Amino acid sequence: DIQMTQSPSSLSASVGDRVTITCRASQSISSYLNWYQQKPGKAPKLLIYAASSLQSGVPSRFSGSGSGTDFTLTISSLQPEDFATYYCQQSYSTPGAFGQGTKLEIK
Amino acid sequence: QVQLVESGGGLVKPGGSLRLSCAASGFTFSDYYMSWIRQAPGKGLEWVSYISSSSSYTNYADSVKGRFTISRDNAKNSLYLQMNSLRAEDTAVYYCARIFDYAVDYWGQGTLVTVSS
Repeated sequence: DIQMTQSPSSLSASVGDRVTITCRASQSISSYLNWYQQKPGKAPKLLIYAASSLQSGVPSRFSGSGSGTDFTLTISSLQPEDFATYYCQQSYSTPGAFGQGTKLEIK
Repeated sequence: QVQLVESGGGLVKPGGSLRLSCAASGFTFSDYYMSWIRQAPGKGLEWVSYISSSSSYTNYADSVKGRFTISRDNAKNSLYLQMNSLRAEDTAVYYCARIFDYAVDYWGQGTLVTVSS
């Protein structure tokens, strides 16, 4: 099975900061990589699919890049509503493993 | 608008069974693959199972294979998860999810399953 590893596990940042979260797959997954945002007590929300495609309605400050085994999610200028936990997920093969999550906290 | 509403969660003893349901609306249910994804308390997301649009293909996580069965009724716009031989480690919020372009583009609000004596 493909394993997904995110780094860092947690991150403190300030409003206006540029933030990057990394996700690494244990083998090549081409561009079959998705990013989700989850706030406490809520269901996850799709941000980025196919590594770099922005889901409809998601602000353009979110962007994704990468292919193969290494991927990044970048938030260009943090807003108060962006403090949440972020998960990557591979959809190259089943099971569609998720990363362990990155909790983004206010500094 | 797309809505996915889960039901059927609750408290069950180890070894017991539970059937989760998901009522879908706002889209042509029979056109989409669907999935169940769970999240143990305070933990990350775990994909559980998915089913093709016509039910011809299903797949399961190793952790639930042989105990859980996914099914759907396209006439009723409903997705199901039959869970047997439940264990404490199955305790989680279970999300019904729609798959589009290899990603989960819509999630239900989740239903909590607690396995405890």
